[in-house]
Amino acid sequence: DQQVKQNSPSLSVQEGRISILNCDYTNSMFDYFLWYKKYPAEGPTFLISISSIKDKNEDGRFTVFLNKSAKHLSLHIVPSQPGDSAVYFCAASPTGAQKLVFGQGTRLTINP
Amino acid sequence: DGGITQSPKYLFRKEGQNVTLSCEQNLNHDAMYWYRQDPGQGLRLIYYSQIVNDFQKGDIAEGYSVSREKKESFPLTVTSAQKNPTAFYLCASTNWPPDNSPLHFGNGTRLTVT
Repeated sequence: DQQVKQNSPSLSVQEGRISILNCDYTNSMFDYFLWYKKYPAEGPTFLISISSIKDKNEDGRFTVFLNKSAKHLSLHIVPSQPGDSAVYFCAASPTGAQKLVFGQGTRLTINP
Repeated sequence: DGGITQSPKYLFRKEGQNVTLSCEQNLNHDAMYWYRQDPGQGLRLIYYSQIVNDFQKGDIAEGYSVSREKKESFPLTVTSAQKNPTAFYLCASTNWPPDNSPLHFGNGTRLTVT
């Protein structure tokens, strides 16, 4: 039972353009969402988060959008840079639970 | 610098042997976690611990054991009962009670069992 789904295993974007990574969830108890970035042979690093009381959160080139009615969130990276090439995981939890459920990950490749 | 140290980075074992993966943190976090990453399956929770001398099973605890004798340390033992032990193992920590602080991860241990 995959409660958090990233349906695109990979995404290729040209440098300077916008990258959009998508994530869907099924558990209506989830109200806190995070994106992590992972390079090969390293641990994931936290990128950005959003709670269900918001529908948008920005941090520099990164913006996360949350559509609660559709149970969908997306991560926008603009402009995309070569260093953004990595695997991106979305994760979700009920507030206070700190038991994150992760999606399968999307491998983003930024082409020069 | 504060962080999470996992050792070793690569580990090779023969089938039927138990193996213990080390995780140490100096972030003064109360809660620690073990996740497993397999290709195409994301990160799955094995065990977690909110305080010393207490821990709970995650979603895939069978074939694994943990201990939490010190706040800084949360070793994971992969036993011979684990049917598919070859994977990338990640340790993480965060504050407890939860305050929506993100999990901090170590750099992982890649275990190969042949």
